Amino acid sequence: NAGVTQTPKFRVLKTGQSMTLLCAQDMNHEYMYWYRQDPGMGLRLIHYSVGEGTTAKGEVPDGYNVSRLKKQNFLLGLESAAPSQTSVYFCASSPTRLAGGMDEQYFGPGTRLTVT
Amino acid sequence: RKEVEQDPGPFNVPEGATVAFNCTYSNSASQSFFWYRQDCRKEPKLLMSVYSSGNEDGRFTAQLNRASQYISLLIRDSKLSDSATYLCVAYNYGQNFVFGPGTRLSVLP
Repeated sequence: NAGVTQTPKFRVLKTGQSMTLLCAQDMNHEYMYWYRQDPGMGLRLIHYSVGEGTTAKGEVPDGYNVSRLKKQNFLLGLESAAPSQTSVYFCASSPTRLAGGMDEQYFGPGTRLTVT
Repeated sequence: RKEVEQDPGPFNVPEGATVAFNCTYSNSASQSFFWYRQDCRKEPKLLMSVYSSGNEDGRFTAQLNRASQYISLLIRDSKLSDSATYLCVAYNYGQNFVFGPGTRLSVLP
């Protein structure tokens, strides 16, 4: 049981290049999330998914796209990378929502992205 | 104003000390609350959920005051291994999980 895995762990892009970050979970969780973490800012939600085939925007979605074609995978795409997208990206998943609340999130190890 | 605010820290305490972290949230519709721990250059990991009646897990005690929209975390008998950043998290249906900026704790020998 690997939990939540992310690939790649590190990446350096030039401005304008594109890339896809892959998140995979083996816990059969319905909910998956992509966050970015910047110094002093805390984690900010980029996009999330409440189930296979569904996606929704979070707090900071501009410049990113996502897809959830399979329940276990959640992909984050950067079509044209910008230096402002230099950050640490975390994927997370949660089990089915309980009535009136939500269970904890399980995080992947993160991807450190630098855009020059 | 941030949705979830925390003491900025850092907190530098000696081993064995008791330390308390405070957190406030602005969305009264928030339903669930958590404390996560994040070690340097690692992913956040759940420390404990926070229940309305308050809850304790070993040396850690979490309290929730819905009327004041305030959450606290108390760590007793601090260990060197407690050194980390502590993240306060509020969940509400519209915004999902909202993270505070974190409070850094250094436990000194």
